[in-house]
Amino acid sequence: DAKTTQPNSMESNEEEPVHLPCNHSTISGTDYIHWYRQLPSQGPEYVIHGLTSNVNNRMASLAIAEDRKSSTLILHRATLRDAAVYYCILRDQQGAQKLVFGQGTRLTINP
Amino acid sequence: DGGITQSPKYLFRKEGQNVTLSCEQNLNHDAMYWYRQDPGQGLRLIYYSQIVNDFQKGDIAEGYSVSREKKESFPLTVTSAQKNPTAFYLCASRKLDSSLYGYTFGSGTRLTVV
Repeated sequence: DAKTTQPNSMESNEEEPVHLPCNHSTISGTDYIHWYRQLPSQGPEYVIHGLTSNVNNRMASLAIAEDRKSSTLILHRATLRDAAVYYCILRDQQGAQKLVFGQGTRLTINP
Repeated sequence: DGGITQSPKYLFRKEGQNVTLSCEQNLNHDAMYWYRQDPGQGLRLIYYSQIVNDFQKGDIAEGYSVSREKKESFPLTVTSAQKNPTAFYLCASRKLDSSLYGYTFGSGTRLTVV
């Protein structure tokens, strides 16, 4: 499975934008880039995913580099409820399409 | 509302005992997954199933067993052979026929061996 690299932790202030980076230099052409987040003592929650083009939904935006070797999850206006561990995951569209989780980025939001 | 239900939320087990964790979904999802999470770590895949009566081992299947007799249900048994079973267990599901959908996770079962 292709690997992703994320910073262990990041900190931001409430109502400010947050940019969470992810490197995936060994990504293959069939890998989708998925983002999930996990609040304390809860299961992960799907945030967004994309293949090549930038994506927007009600939760966040996903910016994908032209060479697809990196991506950035953008929270446009962070709230205290956005404090969580964010996982960047590559999901192969072939085979079993398992999600392989790394350590993720622990995001702290300051009031 | 559709979703995944894991029960119980907390479970205590004596050493040497088998214990079964329940996972039920009413989303009509095809595939179901079991993950284990240790403190401060990411999730690791135990078993997964894409269709009824079929399942595959994940990365850490030793000491665990599963069954998939119904599309809605994917129970996980933690056997006495699992050396360090204390962990947070998460069940997930997804539809197989579309790349548009992400995984849906349950709220987890926290297992403690006493």
